[in-house]
Amino acid sequence: KAGVTQTPRYLIKTRGQQVTLSCSPISGHRSVSWYQQTPGQGLQFLFEYFSETQRNKGNFPGRFSGRQFSNSRSEMNVSTLELGDSALYLCASSYGGTGNTEAFFGQGTRLTVV
Amino acid sequence: DQQVKQNSPSLSVQEGRISILNCDYTNSMFDYFLWYKKYPAEGPTFLISISSIKDKNEDGRFTVFLNKSAKHLSLHIVPSQPGDSAVYFCAGLNTDKLIFGTGTRLQVFP
Repeated sequence: KAGVTQTPRYLIKTRGQQVTLSCSPISGHRSVSWYQQTPGQGLQFLFEYFSETQRNKGNFPGRFSGRQFSNSRSEMNVSTLELGDSALYLCASSYGGTGNTEAFFGQGTRLTVV
Repeated sequence: DQQVKQNSPSLSVQEGRISILNCDYTNSMFDYFLWYKKYPAEGPTFLISISSIKDKNEDGRFTVFLNKSAKHLSLHIVPSQPGDSAVYFCAGLNTDKLIFGTGTRLQVFP
C-alpha cells in the first residue's frame, strides 16, 4: 500500500507570493494533519482535516489555510509569504478514529522563501 | 506555550549501551503519548506509543515509561545501534491533534 505522498518536494518562492502544497494520504485514511518544522521549534501543528472538515487548528495566522477533498487528498495554502515561512511542511495521515494513535508522515515539502 | 518539552537537544551514546530520551509535558488532557524517529530529508516514522492510563509499553528494543504524577515520559533503547542515530520527537495526542516536542538528536557511536 502506497505511503503518504507530498508534492512538490522542494519549492522556492519570493516574499509576497502564495503557495499551495499537496498531500495524498494513505488509501483508507480520512484524517490529514499538517505540520511546520523549523530549526529549534520542532514540529508545530497547523491544522487537521477529517472528512473534508477542519477539525483542529493550531496557532498560525490566517495566511495559512487548507482544505480536504472528497478523496481525502488535502492541500495547504500560504498567502503573502514571509521569509519566516521557510520550513519543512509535513503532512500526516491516519484513520482518524477515536483511540487511533498512529499517524504516518510524508517526506515533506521544503519551502524556501527568498 | 510549549506543552511538550524535550530539554536535551542532543545525546551521544556508545553502541550496545542504553539510550534514554526524556520528555516532559504540561497538558493533562493528552490521551496518548507517541515517539517518532526522523532521519534527514524524510518524514517522521512512528516508533512506539503509550496510553495515558499505562505506565510502561515495550516493543523489542524500545520501551516507553510514563510517570503521570511527574508529567514525564522517557524512551529507552536497549541495546543502542548506530542505525538508531536520528532525531527523536515525543508527542502528546489529544482529540487527533499531535503536539510535538522540539526533538532530541541521538548519535550512537561504535
